[in-house]
Amino acid sequence: NAGVMQNPRHLVRRRGQEARLRCSPMKGHSHVYWYRQLPEEGLKFMVYLQKENIIDESGMPKERFSAEFPKEGPSILRIQQVVRGDSAAYFCASTKTAGQETQYFGPGTRLLVL
Amino acid sequence: AQSVTQPDIHITVSEGASLELRCNYSYGATPYLFWYVQSPGQGLQLLLKYFSGDTLVQGIKGFEAEFKRSQSSFNLRKPSVHWSDAAEYFCAVGLLIQGAQKLVFGQGTRLTINP
Repeated sequence: NAGVMQNPRHLVRRRGQEARLRCSPMKGHSHVYWYRQLPEEGLKFMVYLQKENIIDESGMPKERFSAEFPKEGPSILRIQQVVRGDSAAYFCASTKTAGQETQYFGPGTRLLVL
Repeated sequence: AQSVTQPDIHITVSEGASLELRCNYSYGATPYLFWYVQSPGQGLQLLLKYFSGDTLVQGIKGFEAEFKRSQSSFNLRKPSVHWSDAAEYFCAVGLLIQGAQKLVFGQGTRLTINP
């Protein structure tokens, strides 16, 4: 039973380019959470999505960042016009339902902006 | 605002010694508490969680944690550490908002094991 998959594992972008990070939740899971880990810091919540719906995006920067979780396919975190401060590890987690459930994390995507 | 504090950024212990990692939280309601471990370059693995009931929680890899409401603490312990326990450890509190739980993490404690 595959766990949460994320790709790419490492991504290098130049300032001004776009970054697309993908997350496939565990089989049977339809709830996805994205977190960002800046260097030497803990993870910070960004956005929570269900299939075709953004439920809570209170942790998303107001500009350049967007997320989606289509009916088919992985969840996508998109960062437009990246800046050096976007360099971080981005993790997604999934759960089967809403409510108090254990979140299972993927291995993360490490984004480096040159 | 809800927050989690891990007072120790870095701890070094000898292999075979006992370990305690501290975690304090600030949360108005009954908290849902978690400990995760992150090996270098890897994702997070759940060690244990507290939702309700017995305040002493057993986890994987020989870890346990005790919830103390009076101290707002959820410290992680292990009687005898192994070299493979070297990693970053994160305490988190789960906030139920709009029907779903999002996690608030501490800044982490890096554990180094001396041979």
